Amino acid sequence: GEDVEQSLFLSVREGDSSVINCTYTDSSSTYLYWYKQEPGAGLQLLTYIFSNMDMKQDQRLTVLLNKKDKHLSLRIADTQTGDSAIYFCAESIGTGANNLFFGTGTRLTVIP
Amino acid sequence: SQTIHQWPATLVQPVGSPLSLECTVEGTSNPNLYWYRQAAGRGLQLLFYSVGIGQISSEVPQNLSASRPQDRQFILSSKKLLLSDSGFYLCAWSLKGRKREQYFGPGTRLTVT
Repeated sequence: GEDVEQSLFLSVREGDSSVINCTYTDSSSTYLYWYKQEPGAGLQLLTYIFSNMDMKQDQRLTVLLNKKDKHLSLRIADTQTGDSAIYFCAESIGTGANNLFFGTGTRLTVIP
Repeated sequence: SQTIHQWPATLVQPVGSPLSLECTVEGTSNPNLYWYRQAAGRGLQLLFYSVGIGQISSEVPQNLSASRPQDRQFILSSKKLLLSDSGFYLCAWSLKGRKREQYFGPGTRLTVT
């Protein structure tokens, strides 16, 4: 079955790097995603990585995938107060899947 | 550009009352549409998805239903709400052939009292 896990909270100081971690159980994941949810808002797709990649970088965001350990991380460089939000990891399974399986989300708090 | 609307933003309803949440998408045609629920302290759960008008697939059996009366309109309904229906409901869309890139609406926070 599909099980995506994240730690619930993370606090960092403004200017430091944030690393948000995620583990998943299904080895047939095809894509893995990071979404951001700001207070009172819907989910915003930040980035995604195909399961045969091990790294993807997009400006301040770096996604690392360890497929052997089924571990995904999102690193935010030079974290800003505007990065405070809940970050969701998600996976999709197989080629015919119509949905994503989400973790519980990690609440990132950036301390000025 | 594409935008997705949901309303209402917040809703407080008594147990046993009906529910209707609406989602509309602009700027695209024939999208895949999805309803998710986020219960407190839990991850998102897919409730329904639709690949076209009148085509609804249910992922979780419950007292909710969904309908797609028009290409870019997706409605989530219930005849009688339960306390356990409280949560944050999110509508999402994706392009055909790119169903793994889903874009979400602002959500509706439903409290059943």
